[in-house]
Amino acid sequence: GQSLEQPSEVTAVEGAIVQINCTYQTSGFYGLSWYQQHDGGAPTFLSYNALDGLEETGRFSSFLSRSDSYGYLLLQELQMKDSASYFCAAWGAGTALIFGKGTTLSVSS
Amino acid sequence: NAGVMQNPRHLVRRRGQEARLRCSPMKGHSHVYWYRQLPEEGLKFMVYLQKENIIDESGMPKERFSAEFPKEGPSILRIQQVVRGDSAAYFCASSPTGSYNEQFFGPGTRLTVL
Repeated sequence: GQSLEQPSEVTAVEGAIVQINCTYQTSGFYGLSWYQQHDGGAPTFLSYNALDGLEETGRFSSFLSRSDSYGYLLLQELQMKDSASYFCAAWGAGTALIFGKGTTLSVSS
Repeated sequence: NAGVMQNPRHLVRRRGQEARLRCSPMKGHSHVYWYRQLPEEGLKFMVYLQKENIIDESGMPKERFSAEFPKEGPSILRIQQVVRGDSAAYFCASSPTGSYNEQFFGPGTRLTVL
């Protein structure tokens, strides 16, 4: 089967750094994506890693280790507006993007 | 440049009725994907279409569900004889190519089956 595991909830304070981990098990693997979703609205794309290593985009970074079937999303200088659900998603065999169940991030002041 | 459009945003149906959900991809995008999301759950892939072709329907239930993306007009996800278990948010996404890149999501249609 194909599955992605990520923590269900993470809490942090403004200005802090938080890391959301994702482990995956897929039949075939092409890359790992991250999406953000506010209050059940349209998911928005954050990042995509096809190769091992760290990709940095502003306050957000994403990491992938193909040998460990593991990745993470790193959010720095947290702001209240970062409170949302974060989903990792893997491109496996075939054409379907498989999503994890999501991590709810709560940022407090 | 309009994003992905979905309508209706909210749809209420009684058991046994039909539900039709529409999706207009972003301009220039010819690849459309449909997902279903239950509360507190991730998005579940349903179907991937290109104009006039179903590329991958491995996530579609075998009965009552169908999808199309005609040459002209929006993509349609059709659910016949709806049951309470069909209540969910249905999201459409589009991309310019079918490669492993960013998908752009619409605001979703919230289907409630009474």
